[in-house]
Amino acid sequence: AQKITQTQPGMFVQEKEAVTLDCTYDTSDPSYGLFWYKQPSSGEMIFLIYQGSYDQQNATEGRYSLNFQKARKSANLVISASQLGDSAMYFCAMRGGKGAQKLVFGQGTRLTINP
Amino acid sequence: NAGVTQTPKFQVLKTGQSMTLQCAQDMNHEYMSWYRQDPGMGLRLIHYSVGAGITDQGEVPNGYNVSRSTTEDFPLRLLSAAPSQTSVYFCASSYSGINYGYTFGSGTRLTVV
Repeated sequence: AQKITQTQPGMFVQEKEAVTLDCTYDTSDPSYGLFWYKQPSSGEMIFLIYQGSYDQQNATEGRYSLNFQKARKSANLVISASQLGDSAMYFCAMRGGKGAQKLVFGQGTRLTINP
Repeated sequence: NAGVTQTPKFQVLKTGQSMTLQCAQDMNHEYMSWYRQDPGMGLRLIHYSVGAGITDQGEVPNGYNVSRSTTEDFPLRLLSAAPSQTSVYFCASSYSGINYGYTFGSGTRLTVV
């Protein structure tokens, strides 16, 4: 079975600082995808970044990067130069390569950016 | 291209009532899923479908029913609403393949009193 663990219920950082949101995962599938979603207070789910299990390099999308450590089964999201608009819930998710390819979510981390 | 459309956005039900949450996508996605979101518990999978005519249970299926008669539509039925089903419900869809993320609807906030 697939499992995603996010151990930080809440994070508080100063504007313009970098922030790392932790995510560990567990799966027996050799092929899988890892995703991060942002959920602002308005409630919509916004896709941020994707990392494939066979990707050799860490994924980057603008100010977002994914620190992928396969041996440790971790997929931490790094946000550089944080902005007030980054305040939101952040969810790590995994999609397995076998069968139904269900998308499984972690519990989420609430990030608050202070001015 | 509307993406994933969920209706209604808000709903209040009395205990024991039934209702259907509607979900439609226009992206020709094979995969569709229903999630519920509760504080501190992330998004939990209720039911999912890998194609028209094929559905299966997720992590928390009890009290819910689904069907998938077309590629576009994936309604979620609450058979007899209970206060424990008070939650925010999201429908999502995707192409097959681990490199595809799911596209989410805007959510339905359901309160059962």
